[in-house]
Amino acid sequence: GENVEQHPSTLSVQEGDSAVIKCTYSDSASNYFPWYKQELGKRPQLIIDIRSNVGEKKDQRIAVTLNKTAKHFSLHITETQPEDSAVYFCAASPNQAGTALIFGKGTTLSVSS
Amino acid sequence: EPEVTQTPSHQVTQMGQEVILRCVPISNHLYFYWYRQILGQKVEFLVSFYNNEISEKSEIFDDQFSVERPDGSNFTLKIRSTKLEDSAMYFCASSEFPSVERSPLAIYFGEGSWLTVV
Repeated sequence: GENVEQHPSTLSVQEGDSAVIKCTYSDSASNYFPWYKQELGKRPQLIIDIRSNVGEKKDQRIAVTLNKTAKHFSLHITETQPEDSAVYFCAASPNQAGTALIFGKGTTLSVSS
Repeated sequence: EPEVTQTPSHQVTQMGQEVILRCVPISNHLYFYWYRQILGQKVEFLVSFYNNEISEKSEIFDDQFSVERPDGSNFTLKIRSTKLEDSAMYFCASSEFPSVERSPLAIYFGEGSWLTVV
């Protein structure tokens, strides 16, 4: 089955810097890759997703890139703000409704002002 | 914005007791899911449900677990004979039926039900 590895486990940046979180996946059948942000004690919130027919997607300060050949995808946050501090999870699944999202172990991002 | 709602937010139960966690998915969604998250760990898939049937389940979802859609709005997870290791946050989630225009698998999570087994 699918296995998703996520790095780094913790990331500390200064406000205004960029943050990059990287994930690799094992199952070549996976072609849907969402990113979730989870604040302490709260639900995972979908912040951006990408499908394998797209190499990059951007939404304001957040972008995701996908390299399907190398089986890795990355989250890029520019101009970080203290409110970006949270745990970020990547996930992967085949592009079929109802199938499991397999999550990475998460990255704790701390943005200091 | 429509949200997945879950009850209870927190439940403490004795080991061996049965627990039912309830969820109201987003109203136009047709796929429903349960995930769990042990404290400090990653989110793990338990089961997906569509058209009154289980679509997929993980190894975690063994015979002590069951899901049901008892009416047109609720989706429940039952844990029979709870064990200490069942202590976790249980998230219900839902997604729309796939369409060309929108991402078919955007899954939205509820706030979770924190289960403590003592």
